[in-house]
Amino acid sequence: AQSVTQLGSHVSVSEGALVLLRCNYSSSVPPYLFWYVQYPNQGLQLLLKYTTGATLVKGINGFEAEFKKSETSFHLTKPSAHMSDAAEYFCAVSDQELTGGGNKLTFGTGTQLKVEL
Amino acid sequence: DTEVTQTPKHLVMGMTNKKSLKCEQHMGHRAMYWYKQKAKKPPELMFVYSYEKLSINESVPSRFSPECPNSSLLNLHLHALQPEDSALYLCASSQGPGHNYGYTFGSGTRLTVV
Repeated sequence: AQSVTQLGSHVSVSEGALVLLRCNYSSSVPPYLFWYVQYPNQGLQLLLKYTTGATLVKGINGFEAEFKKSETSFHLTKPSAHMSDAAEYFCAVSDQELTGGGNKLTFGTGTQLKVEL
Repeated sequence: DTEVTQTPKHLVMGMTNKKSLKCEQHMGHRAMYWYKQKAKKPPELMFVYSYEKLSINESVPSRFSPECPNSSLLNLHLHALQPEDSALYLCASSQGPGHNYGYTFGSGTRLTVV
């Protein structure tokens, strides 16, 4: 089964600083990779996804991620952090296409981003 | 309509109660999911419905019973739960058969079992 590992359960940055959240994947086939954000007491919102094609993926709220096959990584970045970016971030891999439709997402353990003034 | 709507937002139930969680989407998505999320943990898959048929049951105890009455609705029936079942229950849907589609999540039902 495919899996993702998120390095750093807590990341703290200053407002205006670069945000870098790390995700490495393990897969024997080309993976489909996703980043989700979760605000307190909310569901998860899709930030961006990598399927095929361009390895630099742009998402919502100024986030982007680069798929690097040689490093088995899919790190999430944002050039300038804002207070509203404080949340839990999950990297996920689509594990399998299910017979009859749908797919199974497997999530990393999450990274809590704190943004300080 | 690009949302997944879950009701209720909060639920407190006793261990002998029977309750149901509801989930609705009108995006024409053909796969729907139930996930369970404990505090400070990632979501864990419980059930998958694809084209209104149960395609995955991740060894979930029988006190959780899913139901998909039609392509827009997904229910989770709860009976004789344990305090350790207290968690955020998330419903999600995805567009189609391929696994290049991400999920659209609802905001969840916060369940407390007393």
